[in-house]
Amino acid sequence: EVQLVESGGGLVEPGGSLRLSCATSGFNFNDAWMSWVRQAPGKGLEWVGRIKSKRGGETKEYAAPVKGRFIISRDDSQNTLDLQMNSLRIEDTGVYFCVWVNVGWFHSWGLGTLVTVSS
Amino acid sequence: QSALTQPASVSGSPGQSITISCTGTNSDVGNYNLVSWYQHHPGKAPKLIIYDVTKRPSGVSNHFSGSKSGNTASLTISGLQSDDEADYYCCSYEGGSNSWVFGGGTRLTVL
Repeated sequence: EVQLVESGGGLVEPGGSLRLSCATSGFNFNDAWMSWVRQAPGKGLEWVGRIKSKRGGETKEYAAPVKGRFIISRDDSQNTLDLQMNSLRIEDTGVYFCVWVNVGWFHSWGLGTLVTVSS
Repeated sequence: QSALTQPASVSGSPGQSITISCTGTNSDVGNYNLVSWYQHHPGKAPKLIIYDVTKRPSGVSNHFSGSKSGNTASLTISGLQSDDEADYYCCSYEGGSNSWVFGGGTRLTVL
């Protein structure tokens, strides 16, 4: 059974940093492309970024609103995905989902972890 | 990248069919067959129900179907059931920015 479990969410002040993690199991993480997708309160889904597999060069892409502030990384030895979020803004508030990407679609999702940016 | 346009809400009675539209541009929906749809019951993990415009993942009911015409993709749910009541999101690859764009979501109410 595929499982993705996010952790690390919480309350942080504007300008602060937070690191999210995603523990995965049930699929070949080493060959998986992974993404983060977020959902602001009462809003729709928003793609945050993607990291390819090591075989794919571990290339990373980011959405314009987070580029230069967020960093996606992976640890294939631990089957984990991370999201380092810096210079956080109020509009970064939301639930962050860890997602297994299969070519052109978002195959499996976690339950998400809530990030609240507020003073 | 701008969000794809979906109706905020749709409704239907059990057994009826409904269609949710998803309008983009020729930089995303109109130029790539990389449109997917997701069902999201709040508090649960979103679920892939359609990929590559028309394909259904294994285990997804065949009362979900997808299509595309020009810059607009559509999700049709036939034979509505009470547990279809959820939020539905479309998504497309956007070539200009090499990114992914979601629709704003549609809340389906089964009357």
